[in-house]
Amino acid sequence: AQRVTQPEKLLSVFKGAPVELKCNYSYSGSPELFWYVQYSRQRLQLLLRHISRESIKGFTADLNKGETSFHLKKPFAQEEDSAMYYCALSGAGGYNKLIFGAGTRLAVHP
Amino acid sequence: KAGVTQTPRYLIKTRGQQVTLSCSPISGHRSVSWYQQTPGQGLQFLFEYFSETQRNKGNFPGRFSGRQFSNSRSEMNVSTLELGDSALYLCASSPGQEGFEQYFGPGTRLTVT
Repeated sequence: AQRVTQPEKLLSVFKGAPVELKCNYSYSGSPELFWYVQYSRQRLQLLLRHISRESIKGFTADLNKGETSFHLKKPFAQEEDSAMYYCALSGAGGYNKLIFGAGTRLAVHP
Repeated sequence: KAGVTQTPRYLIKTRGQQVTLSCSPISGHRSVSWYQQTPGQGLQFLFEYFSETQRNKGNFPGRFSGRQFSNSRSEMNVSTLELGDSALYLCASSPGQEGFEQYFGPGTRLTVT
């Protein structure tokens, strides 16, 4: 079964502190992994995907197939990073069929 | 380009009624996917339409159905509404081929009383 687990509902950090939002997945094939973000009163939007191997807004994520993880990291959190973050997987069901985790709310305090 | 639009934005219905939600994708996008978001179950995939054909389907009862028109606009219908159908319904559009990002709409908030 395909599943995405985000163990933390809330992650609270101070500005300038490192951030790591955890994501673990369950999928037997080669998954496509994504991080989506939803800022307050805004639409859900793609932050980054593992195939791009790029850094967006200072965030990076590495796919670790051995640990089946796709953690999102940022070395220095900013207040504007406060948002809801969703890890998502696209697998055997088709590229546009996303399986989402429950989401982690990141709160960055001044 | 204009973003994905959904109408109506808010809807209140009574148990047993049916409802139709509409989604207009970004111009040129041929794929429209629908998701249900609830506090208890999170974001769950309903179905995807591509070139007027249902290409993928999630694990929802047959009361949930959809269709796509030749202009790629999509509608989803829920019949015999239940209290548990209260949710935010999101649609997302993409060009349709693999490797392209999905763009989400603002959602329709459905409340069933």
